[in-house]
Amino acid sequence: QSALTQPRSVSGSPGQSVTISCTGTSSDVGGYNYVSWYQQHPGKAPKLMIYDVSKRPSGVPDRFSGSKSGNTASLTISGLQAEDEADYYCCSYAGSYTSYYVFGTGTKVTVL
Amino acid sequence: EVQLVQSGAEVKKPGESLKISCKGSGYSFTSYWIGWVRQMPGKGLEWMGIIYPGDSDTRYSPSFQGQVTISADKSISTAYLQWSSLKASDTAMYYCARLWGQLVGGWFDPWGQGTLVTVSS
Repeated sequence: QSALTQPRSVSGSPGQSVTISCTGTSSDVGGYNYVSWYQQHPGKAPKLMIYDVSKRPSGVPDRFSGSKSGNTASLTISGLQAEDEADYYCCSYAGSYTSYYVFGTGTKVTVL
Repeated sequence: EVQLVQSGAEVKKPGESLKISCKGSGYSFTSYWIGWVRQMPGKGLEWMGIIYPGDSDTRYSPSFQGQVTISADKSISTAYLQWSSLKASDTAMYYCARLWGQLVGGWFDPWGQGTLVTVSS
């Protein structure tokens, strides 16, 4: 099971919007509405930001949103803030005949 | 508060065995799957496997099958990840995380703080 493909990095100025893509196959991202997103600051454990493609846990700012089209899921951060600078990983259910879950390659978000 | 607390950093030599732990609190430990995730230095997250402490049902990523063993002791609300013979390439941060929802389609929350394993001669 190959890792889902994410851009290595994206950047934006404070207040702008950035979108991170997460491309898989019909066996993972495209086959299920079970995509989640995690934020990881340096030296910290990952934190859940989005689950079930577009649902936001309580406590996560509404400027974080998720979507999916075909084999590609996306995370959009609107109104970018300095504290959003971190690594972001997508994760998808991949079926019981493979590895069950697969993570993306990770994207570094830089706030300019 | 739902919490996963992992054991401390380890420094081992190649060929040695190791068992690290992940203790859950603040919820019914036997009712949720616990997963393990590897993060090698400067690299991304890799899903290793998962266990249901209620009945010790365990599933592995093909990449890690046979390389590690996942277990749990529900009497003390603790999950484990172990190696019988460490290699230098096992040097990494290891996270445990609780799976919300079903095995078929869940999400990981919360995460433990991580256990750094260093394997060096």
